[in-house]
Amino acid sequence: DGGITQSPKYLFRKEGQNVTLSCEQNLNHDAMYWYRQDPGQGLRLIYYSQIVNDFQKGDIAEGYSVSREKKESFPLTVTSAQKNPTAFYLCASSKLAGGYNEQFFGPGTRLTVL
Amino acid sequence: AQTVTQSQPEMSVQEAETVTLSCTYDTSESDYYLFWYKQPPSRQMILVIRQEAYKQQNATENRFSVNFQKAAKSFSLKISDSQLGDAAMYFCAYRTSFQGGSEKLVFGKGMKLTVNP
Repeated sequence: DGGITQSPKYLFRKEGQNVTLSCEQNLNHDAMYWYRQDPGQGLRLIYYSQIVNDFQKGDIAEGYSVSREKKESFPLTVTSAQKNPTAFYLCASSKLAGGYNEQFFGPGTRLTVL
Repeated sequence: AQTVTQSQPEMSVQEAETVTLSCTYDTSESDYYLFWYKQPPSRQMILVIRQEAYKQQNATENRFSVNFQKAAKSFSLKISDSQLGDAAMYFCAYRTSFQGGSEKLVFGKGMKLTVNP
């Protein structure tokens, strides 16, 4: 079945540690996105990528880093520079064929800083 | 920059009744897309319905329909014959239609819908 997988589902981190969240898609989508969700907030864009080896900062990129070495994969690293990393993280992907292209979302990763 | 506002943080509806969720947005663009997403307790984001700004006709998907008022920059979602499975967070979202743009979604803060049996 085609879709987006995120792992792990729950992640715990000690302060000062970097952690990497995995996102993989087998939908052959060109574009991939990372969003952060906090209670009482909508989703906010962290980073996005429209092509392999290229990515752009979203609205809240500080303290995060990404890579796009393969079309299928778009891992997100939460660095120790992120002041308040506890949140729910959602990965999404879409085609880029022009016109309307639906974004499909993964099941999310809940990150908690201890 | 575009913004999306959902002014009602919570609503409730009786099963089988109709409820309308409100959304307003701000943009200087003339062509764009608007969406309603549902996030049930599983937290999986599910697309409910979408509207293209250049289309006058309001979108409908089974029990879900929108009231799109472009001049007022309003995009409300009507759920008819509400079911227990409709209980979820609902997010309104905006996306530019500019070709070559980022295609990123701008979300409202969401609204929690409770369906009472």
